[in-house]
Amino acid sequence: GAVVSQHPSWVICKSGTSVKIECRSLDFQATTMFWYRQFPKQSLMLMATSNEGSKATYEQGVEKDKFLINHASLTLSTLTVTSAHPEDSSFYICSASYRARGNEQFFGPGTRLTVL
Amino acid sequence: AQTVTQSQPEMSVQEAETVTLSCTYDTSESDYYLFWYKQPPSRQMILVIRQEAYKQQNATENRFSVNFQKAAKSFSLKISDSQLGDAAMYFCAYRSGNYGGSQGNLIFGKGTKLSVKP
Repeated sequence: GAVVSQHPSWVICKSGTSVKIECRSLDFQATTMFWYRQFPKQSLMLMATSNEGSKATYEQGVEKDKFLINHASLTLSTLTVTSAHPEDSSFYICSASYRARGNEQFFGPGTRLTVL
Repeated sequence: AQTVTQSQPEMSVQEAETVTLSCTYDTSESDYYLFWYKQPPSRQMILVIRQEAYKQQNATENRFSVNFQKAAKSFSLKISDSQLGDAAMYFCAYRSGNYGGSQGNLIFGKGTKLSVKP
């Protein structure tokens, strides 16, 4: 149990376009969802935290107008990278947690974004 | 603010041998959780082991065990009988026990790349 999926697994887009990444908790209702960014050979950096039906809380230095997070339901959160540029190319990972499992985070498989 | 430090960027171990990965952390909180995550080449984050700070007993999961030294703020991971499939990046992570403020955010160390030699 506690499976998290992400779609797409990889995406290539042109500079200036927007890209949406979906994160779904498949067999549980997530209390909270998290979005991370990971550059090659580096650690995970938390971008934002979101609860269903409320605005996301962004970490310092993360542009909220650039990285739009919508947590529409207890099983779905989306990250939209708006007007993407090559420097936005990265690996994006989501995770989800719920209270019945002690708020342990369950991770999605990640999405590789390449902006040309 | 809490920090997590992994001082070994890379480690290598012979198959079937034992290896220990180091992790230290800094916090002023008394209630927290510590984790070791494995990230293989597929990049899927896999929870290896967790430790509650209030528990004195070191956590174990099959070949994986931790040495939790609360006073020293040290949390090392020991992998026994290393297998080729253990080769991966290993991240140490901290989570506050106070959910109200942090919502359970994980703070990760920079990771240790473990290679297993056949």
